[in-house]
Amino acid sequence: LAKTTQPISMDSYEGQEVNITCSHNNIATNDYITWYQQFPSQGPRFIIQGYKTKVTNEVASLFIPADRKSSTLSLPRVSLSDTAVYYCLVGDGVSFNKFYFGSGTKLNVKP
Amino acid sequence: GAVVSQHPSRVICKSGTSVKIECRSLDFQATTMFWYRQFPKQSLMLMATSNEGSKATYEQGVEKDKFLINHASLTLSTLTVTSAHPEDSSFYICSARDKQGIINQPQHFGDGTRLSIL
Repeated sequence: LAKTTQPISMDSYEGQEVNITCSHNNIATNDYITWYQQFPSQGPRFIIQGYKTKVTNEVASLFIPADRKSSTLSLPRVSLSDTAVYYCLVGDGVSFNKFYFGSGTKLNVKP
Repeated sequence: GAVVSQHPSRVICKSGTSVKIECRSLDFQATTMFWYRQFPKQSLMLMATSNEGSKATYEQGVEKDKFLINHASLTLSTLTVTSAHPEDSSFYICSARDKQGIINQPQHFGDGTRLSIL
């Protein structure tokens, strides 16, 4: 199973764009890349998922280079409420693959 | 969007008690559900995969007789922590995936159960 590596923590200020990069060097051909957000004492919440190139939804963008060995979650104009832990996960989107969580990135948004 | 509900949200009980936690998919059917445990300031750790109509599969190091899993229907999985002790105190989270099996369906997580054993 592909292992992911992310920075342990990041600091940002309100209104800034935040980019969190995840490394997944041994990603498999069938693996999708999924990002979740977790607030304290809550379950993870789905943010975005992609396979290649760029995916955008109403809350974030996901950039995936051609070799797919890394991905970058981009959060536009963060607010204090975006302070949370962000997890990058890779897995097979077809066969109900299990997710093994890495350490995640603790994003601290300051006023 | 897909909703997964866990009950109870918090349990405090005495050592030796068995505690049951329910995980329900409210607006979709889930052939497979997953159970995680999370200690303070740590990441989620996968405990087991719950399969509807068959036995759960446990991750290495997780005692199947300690953590009993039942997945009796396509919308309900239960985790029973038997004879709980203080070291079992943790945040337990379940997740589920829509059985439709459309490619790249994400897992949807419940809001967790905080278990405190005195």
